[in-house]
Amino acid sequence: AQSVSQHNHHVILSEAASLELGCNYSYGGTVNLFWYVQYPGQHLQLLLKYFSGDPLVKGIKGFEAEFIKSKFSFNLRKPSVQWSDTAEYFCAVNGGDSNYQLIWGAGTKLIIKP
Amino acid sequence: DAMVIQNPRYQVTQFGKPVTLSCSQTLNHNVMYWYQQKSSQAPKLLFHYYDKDFNNEADTPDNFQSRRPNTSFCFLDIRSPGLGDAAMYLCATSRDRGPVFEQFFGPGTRLTVL
Repeated sequence: AQSVSQHNHHVILSEAASLELGCNYSYGGTVNLFWYVQYPGQHLQLLLKYFSGDPLVKGIKGFEAEFIKSKFSFNLRKPSVQWSDTAEYFCAVNGGDSNYQLIWGAGTKLIIKP
Repeated sequence: DAMVIQNPRYQVTQFGKPVTLSCSQTLNHNVMYWYQQKSSQAPKLLFHYYDKDFNNEADTPDNFQSRRPNTSFCFLDIRSPGLGDAAMYLCATSRDRGPVFEQFFGPGTRLTVL
């Protein structure tokens, strides 16, 4: 069965620090990859997605993610975080035996200290 | 703005007392999903409607049912809530089924079972 691992459940950074959140998935076939974000008190929203093409994907609010097929990874990055980036970040994967179901990671809670 | 609306945002029920959670959408999307999300865990898909076609996930307990009387509305019925059903319930929609179609989420209903 497919699974998604987000290794860090909690991350605390200071403003202007660089961010990298890890996401690894277990599936050997073609996959579609997503990062969702949930700001405090708000709904889940799509941050960025990868289907094919350039493995470096740009999303909203200065976020980017890189798909590395050989490492089964889709890590989320931001060069300089802001206090407003405080949120929970979820990696999700779709592929293989399901054409609709997203397989979700457990999420990473990011706290940015002002 | 087009959106996914969930009511109520907070629901308290008693052990064994049936409860219904509501979701509506102004996006005119074909697909509506219900997820259960427990604290510090990934969202878990319970079922989805593809138009009027109900699709239950294999491991969704029989205690959970759903109704979609029209395109805009979808309900989650929990027939006899147990303490283990306390969670955040997320409704999502997508224009069609498949990975290329982004899922749009509502704010969720937090269910407490006393």
